[in-house]
Amino acid sequence: TAGITQAPTSQILAAGRSMTLRCTQDMRHNAMYWYRQDLGLGLRLIHYSNTAGTTGKGEVPDGYSVSRANTDDFPLTLASAVPSQTSVYFCASSEGQGGGADTQYFGPGTRLTVL
Amino acid sequence: GQNIDQPTEMTATEGAIVQINCTYQTSGFNGLFWYQQHAGEAPTFLSYNVLDGLEEKGRFSSFLSRSKGYSYLLLKELQMKDSASYLCAVRDSDYKLSFGAGTTVTVRA
Repeated sequence: TAGITQAPTSQILAAGRSMTLRCTQDMRHNAMYWYRQDLGLGLRLIHYSNTAGTTGKGEVPDGYSVSRANTDDFPLTLASAVPSQTSVYFCASSEGQGGGADTQYFGPGTRLTVL
Repeated sequence: GQNIDQPTEMTATEGAIVQINCTYQTSGFNGLFWYQQHAGEAPTFLSYNVLDGLEEKGRFSSFLSRSKGYSYLLLKELQMKDSASYLCAVRDSDYKLSFGAGTTVTVRA
């Protein structure tokens, strides 16, 4: 089973350029999330979607946008990249039914370097 | 918001026991999670506590005290493959996770 896939695996991007990080899950999960992970800071939530057609802002949303046109896909777009967006980006999903563990499952990550 | 603290690094010997503590301050508590993350890989789910007490799952156990804002992850019979970062995460009333910075555990032979 694929679970969650992310693309690309890594990318070097010039500052000012735009880029979309792709995330696809095949578990039919309602909720999806985007995190960034930086050394010493842990995982921080950028944006989330509780169900297809809805999105919300997390802890660090500035400079990023998301869309959720269907259940499976949750792309993250950087409109004009800046060096501070250099990070490892993880997509995650959960059933999103509320109650219980509602465990989040993570994709393999995208390592982004903005120069 | 959440404020989550855990030690940065711990070292232990193969076969030993290690306890990773996590303290948190939260505006709304709806569960505590522990994840394991090997270097260069994605976090994977280890345990979930929402009520006070101990949850045991094989060599790993997790404890929660909501009144003290405290949890620990206990790793028994350490193996070399347990060398990884361990992430404490608190879920708030909006079902969003906030993560600590992680504890890097190094297991030595």
